[in-house]
Amino acid sequence: GAGVSQSPRYKVAKRGQDVALRCDPISGHVSLFWYQQALGQGPEFLTYFQNEAQLDKSGLPSDRFFAERPEGSVSTLKIQRTQQEDSAVYLCASSLPGLPSSYNEQFFGPGTRLTVL
Amino acid sequence: AQRVTQPEKLLSVFKGAPVELKCNYSYSGSPELFWYVQYSRQRLQLLLRHISRESIKGFTADLNKGETSFHLKKPFAQEEDSAMYYCALLSSNTGKLIFGQGTTLQVKP
Repeated sequence: GAGVSQSPRYKVAKRGQDVALRCDPISGHVSLFWYQQALGQGPEFLTYFQNEAQLDKSGLPSDRFFAERPEGSVSTLKIQRTQQEDSAVYLCASSLPGLPSSYNEQFFGPGTRLTVL
Repeated sequence: AQRVTQPEKLLSVFKGAPVELKCNYSYSGSPELFWYVQYSRQRLQLLLRHISRESIKGFTADLNKGETSFHLKKPFAQEEDSAMYYCALLSSNTGKLIFGQGTTLQVKP
């Protein structure tokens, strides 16, 4: 079946603009994660949903970052008043069960590359 | 603090040579560790997890709690192994993954 999809794949924004990044997880996957990957770095955790509940948002770098998953499937990561340091690849991952475990593989999307000018 | 360290940004070897990609971690408790791989123009995907004690594409990784390491090894590298490799630690509270900075493996013909 289809894997995790993300849109847009590329986004260029002027500093100060708001952006919205979309993630479509694998159908039926309960857990959804957002990660930020700066150039030359590994992915860094932003936030985690279990169904529609946002259980952990400790990785969001500022209050300009907001994520939602209102119906427990599609998720949107919104960044307000974008800054140059927000330039990164934003990865979405989903996994089937609700409890974290080594057996719960996280399946990653292709990412959205955000460039803030 | 929970942390994963991959000391090498780039590892370049010739085809047929042994490969070891280093990973060290910091974690209080029993760690659950993974290796993820990203081939050119492809998405990040799971290579192997320590709990399964598996060998995937000839790669193995052994958890050494004494040295807090989880190095990835392959006895004979192939050109198709060229990719970016990330070591990751599972945070048991929320299931988030904590990644190292990644190592680019370049296998030359």
